[in-house]
Amino acid sequence: GESVGLHLPTLSVQEGDNSIINCAYSNSASDYFIWYKQESGKGPQFIIDIRSNMDKRQGQRVTVLLNKTVKHLSLQIAATQPGDSAVYFCAEQGGGSNYKLTFGKGTLLTVNP
Amino acid sequence: DADVTQTPRNRITKTGKRIMLECSQTKGHDRMYWYRQDPGLGLRLIYYSFDVKDINKGEISDGYSVSRQAQAKFSLSLESAIPNQTALYFCATSDLAASGSGEQFFGPGTRLTVL
Repeated sequence: GESVGLHLPTLSVQEGDNSIINCAYSNSASDYFIWYKQESGKGPQFIIDIRSNMDKRQGQRVTVLLNKTVKHLSLQIAATQPGDSAVYFCAEQGGGSNYKLTFGKGTLLTVNP
Repeated sequence: DADVTQTPRNRITKTGKRIMLECSQTKGHDRMYWYRQDPGLGLRLIYYSFDVKDINKGEISDGYSVSRQAQAKFSLSLESAIPNQTALYFCATSDLAASGSGEQFFGPGTRLTVL
């Protein structure tokens, strides 16, 4: 069945460093992936997405990498700032579904000043 | 103004009580969703609706019901609340035709505690 998991439940970095958050997925039919950021007391917010026909996509300070061979997704945050402290979720979609997102359990990113 | 709103934001109730959580959206999206979030378990889908006449069960629908009163409104009910329904509940919306993707937009959440 489908599953989306994260390798590290917590990540602590120094301000200014780059952060890498990883995610493994098991449904090889998934064709769309999203990273969400959830700050304390708020709902998840879209960060960046990627389709399975791509292996890299860049946004402002964020990059998502997709390795379909090993079913691995990562989120890279450049020059991490205190405001980046949050829980980050990956989500996958596909396998015949154009609506259902399957979420990972989340990684807590803490940025130390 | 927020595009997706949820009321109430916090609720404490007792076992056996009927509870309704409400969600409204101004995004004009046709699809709406209810999720439950528990520590260490991520977000799990309770129910979803593609339009006013379409209601579907998600992976954890037992103990819950929903009503899509209008395109902009989707409510979640707990007919007889039990303590293990204590969780954070999120409403979300999406519009496949508009976005071309499955991106979902989330409300701020409702924290429900069942004593």
